[in-house]
Amino acid sequence: DVKVTQSSRYLVKRTGEKVFLECVQDMDHENMFWYRQDPGLGLRLIYFSYDVKMKEKGDIPEGYSVSREKKERFSLILESASTNQTSMYLCASSLSINYGYTFGSGTRLTVV
Amino acid sequence: QKEVEQDPGPLSVPEGAIVSLNCTYSNSAFQYFMWYRQYSRKGPELLMYTYSSGNKEDGRFTAQVDKSSKYISLFIRDSQPSDSATYLCALTSYNQGGKLIFGQGTELSVKP
Repeated sequence: DVKVTQSSRYLVKRTGEKVFLECVQDMDHENMFWYRQDPGLGLRLIYFSYDVKMKEKGDIPEGYSVSREKKERFSLILESASTNQTSMYLCASSLSINYGYTFGSGTRLTVV
Repeated sequence: QKEVEQDPGPLSVPEGAIVSLNCTYSNSAFQYFMWYRQYSRKGPELLMYTYSSGNKEDGRFTAQVDKSSKYISLFIRDSQPSDSATYLCALTSYNQGGKLIFGQGTELSVKP
């Protein structure tokens, strides 16, 4: 069974902390994505990557960065966590648009 | 105007009802149309996928695309309490660079 695994289901961090959200896929997919999901706002794309060491800004990249050192791993970094970054974070991967995305189970991050 | 509009609901129906979920879109270039189902505190999972116009059926689920009206629908027949979830439409084309454009999601509750 193919999988996208997010390292944590729930995280609580303090304001100003540097936060790492990890995502690993076992499907040899080229494309990986990070979204945040908030009530009333839907899914919003933060960053995406089409290849190792490659990254592109999505719709809301401010306050975030990403790292893709290996094909299977795509990390989201909150440089200095703030309360408005409290959200559900979803990682996804895809082979191509013909096949849609496979999502991870999500990380619910609370910044206090 | 958002590229994809979806009524957020919530929608509550009795068990056994026929459910109709809908999205409208503005970009006539969209070619790939998908429906994702998201259970509470989980990541979205791909439910139905359609290329171009027409209908696609899978068990109790039917996806319908009307490109002339820029309108897509998901029908659920004989709805079950286990269908209670948020349903997201997702659309894309080759000029979206591999990114899916999501609707806001419709929250569905099927009451026993």
